[in-house]
Amino acid sequence: GAVVSQHPSWVICKSGTSVKIECRSLDFQATTMFWYRQFPKQSLMLMATSNEGSKATYEQGVEKDKFLINHASLTLSTLTVTSAHPEDSSFYICSARASGRATGELFFGEGSRLTVL
Amino acid sequence: TQLLEQSPQFLSIQEGENLTVYCNSSSVFSSLQWYRQEPGEGPVLLVTVVTGGEVKKLKRLTFQFGDARKDSSLHITAAQPGDTGLYLCAGAPYYGKLTFGQGTILTVHP
Repeated sequence: GAVVSQHPSWVICKSGTSVKIECRSLDFQATTMFWYRQFPKQSLMLMATSNEGSKATYEQGVEKDKFLINHASLTLSTLTVTSAHPEDSSFYICSARASGRATGELFFGEGSRLTVL
Repeated sequence: TQLLEQSPQFLSIQEGENLTVYCNSSSVFSSLQWYRQEPGEGPVLLVTVVTGGEVKKLKRLTFQFGDARKDSSLHITAAQPGDTGLYLCAGAPYYGKLTFGQGTILTVHP
């Protein structure tokens, strides 16, 4: 199956700093990637849709200046949490849909646990 | 916005018992997927159902897609501790983004 790699798997940072999370599709091209946030024992909350070569589409209530998304190539999307605060602590997961796949399956990264002190 | 109601939200059972998880919607989906997620990891795709009335089996797991393509169920026979995890259904509309259910946290006690 398709492989999506996410890095780092966990990060601890001080309040006010910025953190970048990378999402790579290793063996397929992904014109669209998705970024989710997940709270303990809850489902996935879609934050934004990352489109290769164009601006990301953010879900209602998600601050685009806070969560910067860049999808510079068909295999890489990045999420930067700017000026992170403790309330940004969460599990962030990316996913990708293989180009040309009609049934919509997503392949997920391993997730990144962000802890802001 | 399409909604996908998943139930139950929590399920705690003994090893060997059977269980069923349901996902229901008033919307029609072109396909529906089931994922399983373990703590600290990303979800992993279990199955995709595409045809109304379709039944797929994956060892002790049986997935069914409703005739009208609005609902789906996951049945686990003789659950084992290794089945413990968060189960997510996700519906793919004909146009638009994937819609996730609220998830079911399954705990199977030895």
